[in-house]
Amino acid sequence: EVQLVESGGGVVRPGGSLRLSCAASGFTFDGYGMNWVRQAPGKGLEWVADITWNGGNTDYADSVKGRFTVSRDNAKNSLFLQMNSLRVEDTAFYYCARDGLSDGSGPYYFDSWGQGTLVTVSS
Amino acid sequence: ERVMTQSPATLSVSPGERATLSCRASQSVSSNLAWYQQKPGQAPRLLIYGASIRATNIPARFSGSGSGTEFTLTISSLQSEDFAVYYCQQYNIWPRTFGQGTKLEIK
Repeated sequence: EVQLVESGGGVVRPGGSLRLSCAASGFTFDGYGMNWVRQAPGKGLEWVADITWNGGNTDYADSVKGRFTVSRDNAKNSLFLQMNSLRVEDTAFYYCARDGLSDGSGPYYFDSWGQGTLVTVSS
Repeated sequence: ERVMTQSPATLSVSPGERATLSCRASQSVSSNLAWYQQKPGQAPRLLIYGASIRATNIPARFSGSGSGTEFTLTISSLQSEDFAVYYCQQYNIWPRTFGQGTKLEIK
Protein backbone atom coordinates (compact mmCIF):
# COMPACT_ATOMS: atom_id res chain seq x y z
CA GLU A 1 0.00 0.00 0.00
CA VAL A 2 1.31 3.42 -0.95
CA GLN A 3 1.85 5.66 2.08
CA LEU A 4 2.95 9.28 2.15
CA VAL A 5 3.40 10.95 5.52
CA GLU A 6 4.18 14.67 5.74
CA SER A 7 5.78 16.40 8.70
CA GLY A 8 7.43 19.67 9.60
CA GLY A 9 4.49 22.05 9.56
CA GLY A 10 3.98 24.66 12.23
CA VAL A 11 3.65 28.35 12.98
CA VAL A 12 6.27 30.74 11.61
CA ARG A 13 6.62 34.52 11.37
CA PRO A 14 6.48 36.29 8.01
CA GLY A 15 9.95 36.19 6.46
CA GLY A 16 10.80 32.99 8.28
CA SER A 17 11.71 29.54 7.01
CA LEU A 18 10.38 26.02 7.38
CA ARG A 19 11.33 22.64 5.96
CA LEU A 20 8.67 20.07 5.20
CA SER A 21 9.35 16.36 4.82
CA CYS A 22 7.38 13.53 3.23
CA ALA A 23 8.22 9.92 4.08
CA ALA A 24 7.20 7.47 1.36
CA SER A 25 6.63 3.74 1.63
CA GLY A 26 4.86 0.92 -0.17
CA PHE A 27 6.27 1.65 -3.61
CA THR A 28 9.55 2.12 -5.48
CA PHE A 29 10.14 5.75 -4.54
CA ASP A 30 12.89 6.43 -7.06
CA GLY A 31 10.60 5.35 -9.87
CA TYR A 32 8.22 8.30 -9.55
CA GLY A 33 8.13 12.02 -9.88
CA MET A 34 6.81 13.72 -6.74
CA ASN A 35 4.93 16.89 -5.97
CA TRP A 36 3.85 19.35 -3.32
CA VAL A 37 0.29 20.65 -3.53
CA ARG A 38 -1.16 23.14 -1.07
CA GLN A 39 -4.59 24.19 0.09
CA ALA A 40 -5.29 27.33 2.06
CA PRO A 41 -7.91 26.72 4.78
CA GLY A 42 -11.35 26.59 3.15
CA LYS A 43 -9.91 27.15 -0.32
CA GLY A 44 -9.03 25.12 -3.40
CA LEU A 45 -5.95 23.16 -4.45
CA GLU A 46 -2.77 24.70 -5.86
CA TRP A 47 0.16 22.75 -7.26
CA VAL A 48 3.36 24.16 -5.72
CA ALA A 49 6.39 22.21 -6.94
CA ASP A 50 7.51 18.99 -8.52
CA ILE A 51 10.68 16.97 -8.92
CA THR A 52 11.59 14.18 -11.31
CA TRP A 53 12.39 10.67 -10.16
CA ASN A 54 16.13 11.33 -9.91
CA GLY A 55 15.94 14.93 -8.73
CA GLY A 56 17.39 16.11 -12.01
CA ASN A 57 14.59 18.50 -12.83
CA THR A 58 12.36 20.66 -10.66
CA ASP A 59 9.57 23.10 -11.37
CA TYR A 60 7.67 25.63 -9.29
CA ALA A 61 4.50 27.64 -9.29
CA ASP A 62 5.15 31.32 -9.99
CA SER A 63 3.81 32.14 -6.51
CA VAL A 64 6.71 30.35 -4.80
CA LYS A 65 9.51 30.51 -7.38
CA GLY A 66 12.74 31.79 -5.87
CA ARG A 67 11.53 31.15 -2.30
CA PHE A 68 10.80 27.41 -2.17
CA THR A 69 13.11 24.52 -3.06
CA VAL A 70 12.00 20.93 -3.59
CA SER A 71 14.45 18.08 -3.15
CA ARG A 72 14.49 14.35 -2.52
CA ASP A 73 16.65 11.65 -0.97
CA ASN A 74 15.92 8.39 -2.77
CA ALA A 75 18.11 6.41 -0.38
CA LYS A 76 15.79 7.48 2.44
CA ASN A 77 12.53 7.45 0.44
CA SER A 78 11.97 11.06 1.36
CA LEU A 79 10.76 14.26 -0.28
CA PHE A 80 11.44 17.74 1.07
CA LEU A 81 10.23 21.30 0.63
CA GLN A 82 12.44 24.10 1.91
CA MET A 83 10.33 27.22 2.32
CA ASN A 84 12.08 30.56 2.78
CA SER A 85 10.85 34.16 2.94
CA LEU A 86 7.44 32.90 3.99
CA ARG A 87 4.41 35.13 3.52
CA VAL A 88 1.02 35.19 5.18
CA GLU A 89 -0.46 33.94 1.91
CA ASP A 90 1.64 30.77 2.15
CA THR A 91 -0.56 29.63 5.04
CA ALA A 92 -2.02 26.30 3.92
CA PHE A 93 -2.10 22.56 4.28
CA TYR A 94 0.79 21.15 2.27
CA TYR A 95 0.28 17.76 0.66
CA CYS A 96 2.87 15.44 -0.76
CA ALA A 97 1.52 13.74 -3.90
CA ARG A 98 2.85 11.11 -6.28
CA ASP A 99 2.74 11.34 -10.07
CA GLY A 100 0.27 8.91 -11.56
CA LEU A 101 2.75 7.26 -13.91
CA SER A 102 6.38 6.29 -13.71
CA ASP A 103 7.53 6.49 -17.31
CA GLY A 104 9.56 9.65 -16.78
CA SER A 105 7.59 11.98 -19.03
CA GLY A 106 4.60 14.03 -18.03
CA PRO A 107 2.91 16.03 -16.70
CA TYR A 108 0.63 13.66 -14.79
CA TYR A 109 -2.29 13.52 -12.44
CA PHE A 110 -1.69 12.77 -8.76
CA ASP A 111 -2.59 9.22 -7.80
CA SER A 112 -1.61 9.14 -4.13
CA TRP A 113 -1.66 11.85 -1.49
CA GLY A 114 -0.42 12.22 2.07
CA GLN A 115 -2.66 13.50 4.86
CA GLY A 116 -1.07 16.97 4.77
CA THR A 117 0.79 19.18 7.20
CA LEU A 118 -0.39 22.66 8.18
CA VAL A 119 1.87 25.68 7.76
CA THR A 120 0.68 28.88 9.41
CA VAL A 121 2.50 32.13 8.66
CA SER A 122 1.47 34.77 11.13
CA SER A 123 2.95 37.59 13.15
CA GLU B 1 -1.66 28.64 -17.97
CA ARG B 2 -4.84 26.65 -18.47
CA VAL B 3 -7.66 28.06 -16.33
CA MET B 4 -10.13 25.42 -15.17
CA THR B 5 -13.67 26.53 -14.32
CA GLN B 6 -16.09 24.27 -12.47
CA SER B 7 -19.85 24.62 -12.26
CA PRO B 8 -21.92 24.87 -10.27
CA ALA B 9 -20.07 26.00 -7.15
CA THR B 10 -22.58 24.10 -5.02
CA LEU B 11 -24.90 21.31 -6.10
CA SER B 12 -27.75 20.06 -3.90
CA VAL B 13 -28.93 16.55 -4.73
CA SER B 14 -30.95 13.93 -2.86
CA PRO B 15 -29.45 10.52 -2.04
CA GLY B 16 -30.19 8.02 -4.78
CA GLU B 17 -30.39 10.68 -7.45
CA ARG B 18 -27.88 11.49 -10.21
CA ALA B 19 -25.35 14.30 -9.91
CA THR B 20 -23.67 15.96 -12.87
CA LEU B 21 -20.66 18.20 -12.32
CA SER B 22 -19.01 20.27 -15.05
CA CYS B 23 -15.48 21.42 -15.72
CA ARG B 24 -14.36 23.72 -18.53
CA ALA B 25 -10.81 24.45 -19.67
CA SER B 26 -9.75 27.82 -21.08
CA GLN B 27 -8.00 25.98 -23.93
CA SER B 28 -7.96 22.37 -24.99
CA VAL B 29 -6.40 19.90 -22.55
CA SER B 30 -7.13 16.90 -24.80
CA SER B 31 -8.16 14.04 -22.49
CA ASN B 32 -5.60 14.93 -19.83
CA LEU B 33 -8.19 15.64 -17.17
CA ALA B 34 -8.53 14.18 -13.68
CA TRP B 35 -11.23 14.37 -11.02
CA TYR B 36 -10.64 14.25 -7.27
CA GLN B 37 -12.95 13.89 -4.29
CA GLN B 38 -12.17 15.60 -1.00
CA LYS B 39 -14.06 15.07 2.25
CA PRO B 40 -13.70 17.41 5.24
CA GLY B 41 -10.39 16.94 7.04
CA GLN B 42 -9.09 14.50 4.43
CA ALA B 43 -6.67 14.61 1.54
CA PRO B 44 -8.01 14.59 -2.01
CA ARG B 45 -8.58 11.17 -3.58
CA LEU B 46 -8.15 10.43 -7.26
CA LEU B 47 -11.42 9.31 -8.88
CA ILE B 48 -10.92 9.64 -12.63
CA TYR B 49 -7.96 10.23 -14.95
CA GLY B 50 -7.70 10.37 -18.71
CA ALA B 51 -11.11 12.09 -18.54
CA SER B 52 -12.96 8.77 -18.25
CA ILE B 53 -10.78 6.09 -16.62
CA ARG B 54 -11.77 5.18 -13.09
CA ALA B 55 -8.90 4.94 -10.64
CA THR B 56 -8.29 1.80 -8.60
CA ASN B 57 -11.18 0.84 -6.29
CA ILE B 58 -13.45 3.65 -7.46
CA PRO B 59 -17.09 2.47 -7.69
CA ALA B 60 -18.74 2.18 -11.09
CA ARG B 61 -21.33 4.81 -10.18
CA PHE B 62 -18.60 7.41 -10.86
CA SER B 63 -18.06 8.15 -14.53
CA GLY B 64 -16.24 10.83 -16.46
CA SER B 65 -16.66 12.08 -19.99
CA GLY B 66 -15.51 14.81 -22.33
CA SER B 67 -12.43 15.96 -24.17
CA GLY B 68 -10.90 19.21 -25.32
CA THR B 69 -12.45 21.92 -23.16
CA GLU B 70 -15.66 20.43 -21.76
CA PHE B 71 -15.78 17.66 -19.17
CA THR B 72 -18.38 16.05 -16.95
CA LEU B 73 -18.28 13.94 -13.81
CA THR B 74 -21.44 11.95 -13.24
CA ILE B 75 -22.39 10.09 -10.07
CA SER B 76 -25.24 7.84 -11.08
CA SER B 77 -26.93 7.15 -7.74
CA LEU B 78 -25.65 9.23 -4.85
CA GLN B 79 -24.65 7.46 -1.67
CA SER B 80 -24.23 9.24 1.67
CA GLU B 81 -20.44 8.95 1.41
CA ASP B 82 -20.40 10.82 -1.92
CA PHE B 83 -21.25 14.20 -0.44
CA ALA B 84 -17.96 16.05 -0.65
CA VAL B 85 -16.05 18.61 -2.71
CA TYR B 86 -14.96 17.60 -6.20
CA TYR B 87 -12.06 19.12 -8.12
CA CYS B 88 -11.05 18.77 -11.74
CA GLN B 89 -7.40 19.12 -12.77
CA GLN B 90 -5.70 19.37 -16.12
CA TYR B 91 -2.33 17.74 -16.69
CA ASN B 92 -1.98 18.46 -20.38
CA ILE B 93 0.61 21.20 -19.85
CA TRP B 94 2.63 22.70 -17.02
CA PRO B 95 1.68 24.15 -14.64
CA ARG B 96 -0.94 21.63 -13.66
CA THR B 97 -4.02 23.52 -12.62
CA PHE B 98 -7.17 22.76 -10.67
CA GLY B 99 -10.69 24.02 -10.87
CA GLN B 100 -12.05 25.86 -7.86
CA GLY B 101 -14.20 22.91 -6.81
CA THR B 102 -17.87 21.92 -6.68
CA LYS B 103 -19.40 21.20 -3.29
CA LEU B 104 -21.92 18.39 -3.53
CA GLU B 105 -24.36 18.66 -0.66
CA ILE B 106 -27.38 16.74 0.52
CA LYS B 107 -30.71 18.17 -0.56
